[in-house]
Amino acid sequence: GDSVTQMEGPVTLSEEAFLTINCTYTATGYPSLFWYVQYPGEGLQLLLKATKADDKGSNKGFEATYRKETTSFHLEKGSVQVSDSAVYFCALILMDSNYQLIWGAGTKLIIKP
Amino acid sequence: DVKVTQSSRYLVKRTGEKVFLECVQDMDHENMFWYRQDPGLGLRLIYFSYDVKMKEKGDIPEGYSVSREKKERFSLILESASTNQTSMYLCASISFTTGKNIQYFGAGTRLSVL
Repeated sequence: GDSVTQMEGPVTLSEEAFLTINCTYTATGYPSLFWYVQYPGEGLQLLLKATKADDKGSNKGFEATYRKETTSFHLEKGSVQVSDSAVYFCALILMDSNYQLIWGAGTKLIIKP
Repeated sequence: DVKVTQSSRYLVKRTGEKVFLECVQDMDHENMFWYRQDPGLGLRLIYFSYDVKMKEKGDIPEGYSVSREKKERFSLILESASTNQTSMYLCASISFTTGKNIQYFGAGTRLSVL
């Protein structure tokens, strides 16, 4: 079945380090891919998205490129800040699905000063 | 069973009408979402709410408003419907406090604005 796999957390980095959170997916058809973020004590926020192969989503210094050949959508940021500490979720939705978003399990990111 | 119920599966409205799309969830979820889904554009977030009376704009809030007076109900309002709002509208809810990471969606409302 359709699924999204994220790297397990927590991921702990020092401030200004380079971040990669891996996300791979299995899906029939052509999914749209999402990264959502949940900051402590807050609800879900859409961080970025990509709707077709080779699209690059970007927001707040984060980027992810839709790689159809590797079925991946890895999240990257060149220099993380303490304020980036949050839980990050990768998700997909299929255009011909029953409208259920398929989510990864989430990756907790901890940035130390 | 998890349940997110949208009030209508199909709606046909005329340009300029005020349209209400209702969504109710029975899972005591904190967070609720309204999306629209269009061919080739994926799912676009219109508004979401993380608590009663709280709302946040998503990617395409223009032309829409929302109401969350009770935890279980999240309404999407088109103040003056236009033809470019013809779309599939999806409501979803999720709770992170349970540790589950599936966003549950309603069956969708296909709105046609003539």
